[in-house]
Amino acid sequence: AQTVTQSQPEMSVQEAETVTLSCTYDTSESDYYLFWYKQPPSRQMILVIRQEAYKQQNATENRFSVNFQKAAKSFSLKISDSQLGDAAMYFCAYPQGSGTYKYIFGTGTRLKVLA
Amino acid sequence: NAGVTQTPKFQVLKTGQSMTLQCAQDMNHEYMSWYRQDPGMGLRLIHYSVGAGITDQGEVPNGYNVSRSTTEDFPLRLLSAAPSQTSVYFCASSYFWSSGANVLTFGAGSRLTVL
Repeated sequence: AQTVTQSQPEMSVQEAETVTLSCTYDTSESDYYLFWYKQPPSRQMILVIRQEAYKQQNATENRFSVNFQKAAKSFSLKISDSQLGDAAMYFCAYPQGSGTYKYIFGTGTRLKVLA
Repeated sequence: NAGVTQTPKFQVLKTGQSMTLQCAQDMNHEYMSWYRQDPGMGLRLIHYSVGAGITDQGEVPNGYNVSRSTTEDFPLRLLSAAPSQTSVYFCASSYFWSSGANVLTFGAGSRLTVL
């Protein structure tokens, strides 16, 4: 079965510091997309960043970037200059199988930002 | 505001009762889906649809029914509620990209408690 694994249930980071959230996945596809979603205390799910597997370059969105290692099936999220508003649950996600749209989500990592 | 609207936001049911969670989107998205979120388990796909008249099962479909008579609406029906269905439910939609690049737009969630 294709899976997404987030091995860190909870992480803490000091304000203004950098933190990396881990995600590994298992797929037999050669071309696919990977996503990180954020869920703040409001419960609203928000897209953070998206990576296309065929692209060698790691995706970047302002303070958020990924470390994508296709061979290792690893997709880490790096948050630089952490802010109090970054405190949330973060989910790694993968749409299983081209054209099927069965999104698989990891179990999430709760990020705490310390002032 | 354009987006995904879920109703109700909160609901308490007794075991055996039936109810429908409503989901509507005004973005002309072909793809719509329902997830449940449980502590420590991330989001799990219940049912999804890639267009009016087309639905399919996700990871945890038992006890739930869906239909898609219009592009805008995708209701989720609980046929006979059980305590195991106590959860937070999310509806999500997106355009239909065969490459899997679709970014999900989520509703605000519905918290359901079954006593």
